[in-house]
Amino acid sequence: GNSVTQMEGPVTLSEEAFLTINCTYTATGYPSLFWYVQYPGEGLQLLLKATKADDKGSNKGFEATYRKETTSFHLEKGSVQVSDSAVYFCALSDRTGNQFYFGTGTSLTVIP
Amino acid sequence: DVKVTQSSRYLVKRTGEKVFLECVQDMDHENMFWYRQDPGLGLRLIYFSYDVKMKEKGDIPEGYSVSREKKERFSLILESASTNQTSMYLCASSDLALSEAFFGQGTRLTVV
Repeated sequence: GNSVTQMEGPVTLSEEAFLTINCTYTATGYPSLFWYVQYPGEGLQLLLKATKADDKGSNKGFEATYRKETTSFHLEKGSVQVSDSAVYFCALSDRTGNQFYFGTGTSLTVIP
Repeated sequence: DVKVTQSSRYLVKRTGEKVFLECVQDMDHENMFWYRQDPGLGLRLIYFSYDVKMKEKGDIPEGYSVSREKKERFSLILESASTNQTSMYLCASSDLALSEAFFGQGTRLTVV
């Protein structure tokens, strides 16, 4: 079946530190992969996505590369800011099952 | 600006009440989803719908039902609210290709 496993949090970093949040997936077909971000009190919003192997998604300084050989889609940012404090969700979509599958979320706090 | 709108940000209901959560999208999307979000458990799919009057059970449908009489509107119904249904409820929509899930702002429901 389909599933997403992501690094458990919470993660606390100092401003300008390097961020990695690990995400691995299991899928029966050829899924698209996503990172969503949830700011306090809000719904989820798309941060970046990749639709096929070796694609790199990027947005707002965040990057993730679709690695089929390791079934991974790790989120990275070179220099985090206080405003990046949020919960990050890794997800995949499966057209066979007609739904999205989400990881449990990783809470990130960036301190000045 | 594309939008998924949930009817309430906060709701407080009594045990045993029938509760309606409404969700409307303006993107002409075929797919609509209801999730609940609980700390440490991430997003869990309750029900989804891929067309008017069509519905599919997700991972945790017990105690819930849904209605989709019009393409833009997807309602979640708690037939008899219980305290263990206190949670954040998130509605989402997407096109048939599952290219991206668009989320509402969430409804925080408290059952007392």
